[in-house]
Amino acid sequence: EAQVTQNPRYLITVTGKKLTVTCSQNMNHEYMSWYRQDPGLGLRQIYYSMNVEVTDKGDVPEGYKVSRKEKRNFPLILESPSPNQTSLYFCASRGQGSYEQYFGPGTRLTVT
Amino acid sequence: QKEVEQDPGPLSVPEGAIVSLNCTYSNSAFQYFMWYRQYSRKGPELLMYTYSSGNKEDGRFTAQVDKSSKYISLFIRDSQPSDSATYLCAMEYSGNTPLVFGKGTRLSVIA
Repeated sequence: EAQVTQNPRYLITVTGKKLTVTCSQNMNHEYMSWYRQDPGLGLRQIYYSMNVEVTDKGDVPEGYKVSRKEKRNFPLILESPSPNQTSLYFCASRGQGSYEQYFGPGTRLTVT
Repeated sequence: QKEVEQDPGPLSVPEGAIVSLNCTYSNSAFQYFMWYRQYSRKGPELLMYTYSSGNKEDGRFTAQVDKSSKYISLFIRDSQPSDSATYLCAMEYSGNTPLVFGKGTRLSVIA
């Protein structure tokens, strides 16, 4: 089954404790993205990657890091999480030139 | 002015009603227009896709794009309780550029 998976689905952590949210897709897609979704603000892109070893900032990259060492994986790293990073996070992927973006199930992060 | 404006609702309609959801945008360079549907506690899923101006119909759903007015619409005919979700418009300049999303409109269809 074609899918985007994220782990963990739910995470509660404390300020300053480094964490990684994993994202993996099995569709051999070149393009992958991370979004955060907040009430009243909608979906905002954090980072995206056009292919392996190619990443770029989205609209709200501050406080986040990403890497793309393999085509299928695109982890999101929070080196020192803060409460304003409490949000619902989505990973997404799509093929080169394709208009359809596939989203993962989401990761609900709470930083206390 | 935000690039994409979408009324967040919430919108509540009785079952069987015709629903109209809309977005306006500011950048005339957008060429590809999409509607995503997001059920509660799920990721968004592509519902409709349109290139440039015109209409596209898929069952009870019709997407319209009016590039001259920078306005896109999604119509849902004979709405069902299962249509209750948040609907997000999205658009992009070309096939390989980041999508720009509206904030989403929450729709409830009451049986």
